[in-house]
Amino acid sequence: ILNVEQSPQSLHVQEGDSTNFTCSFPSSNFYALHWYRWETAKSPEALFVMTLNGDEKKKGRISATLNTKEGYSYLYIKGSQPEDSATYLCAPKGNYGQNFVFGPGTRLSVLP
Amino acid sequence: DGGITQSPKYLFRKEGQNVTLSCEQNLNHDAMYWYRQDPGQGLRLIYYSQIVNDFQKGDIAEGYSVSREKKESFPLTVTSAQKNPTAFYLCASEVAGGFGEQYFGPGTRLTVT
Repeated sequence: ILNVEQSPQSLHVQEGDSTNFTCSFPSSNFYALHWYRWETAKSPEALFVMTLNGDEKKKGRISATLNTKEGYSYLYIKGSQPEDSATYLCAPKGNYGQNFVFGPGTRLSVLP
Repeated sequence: DGGITQSPKYLFRKEGQNVTLSCEQNLNHDAMYWYRQDPGQGLRLIYYSQIVNDFQKGDIAEGYSVSREKKESFPLTVTSAQKNPTAFYLCASEVAGGFGEQYFGPGTRLTVT
């Protein structure tokens, strides 16, 4: 089983602050990585699908980068808003035939 | 609207009883998954199916069973052999293989006493 770590475990920021968190995975095998946002009482929703080393993806104020050689992906949120409050999950896949493995998540709370 | 439905949202059972959780999708996805979430842990894979009439064990399959008789449906049975069944269960689907992201249902919270 792929060992996937996410840090920090939880984070409290003020509205307007920018923040980032990390997903770490073994760099020896990499096929793809997903980022999901999971709001309370809702289903997880995909944010980004990342496949290539050096990938940078952006959706509004949220962006993500990928470094497969060192085994990490960063998620950035610029100017956090209360509606960004959620748990952010990353899920890498080591090889084509394997399944995505979910990290424990980073729980973000944005205080108004 | 296309999506995944899970029922019921909350389920209570007595210890020793089997219970079946429903998962239905109308996204025409080939692959379907069952995950379990416990506090402080990531989603752990119970069972998955890449195609109708075929399924594989995930990382924590002991005490669970599934069937995939139709493309749209992937029910999960939590048997009395599952030692710690109280948890939040999520069903997901995706286009089989490749990079495709997963689409999740709303989940079922099972409490066994």
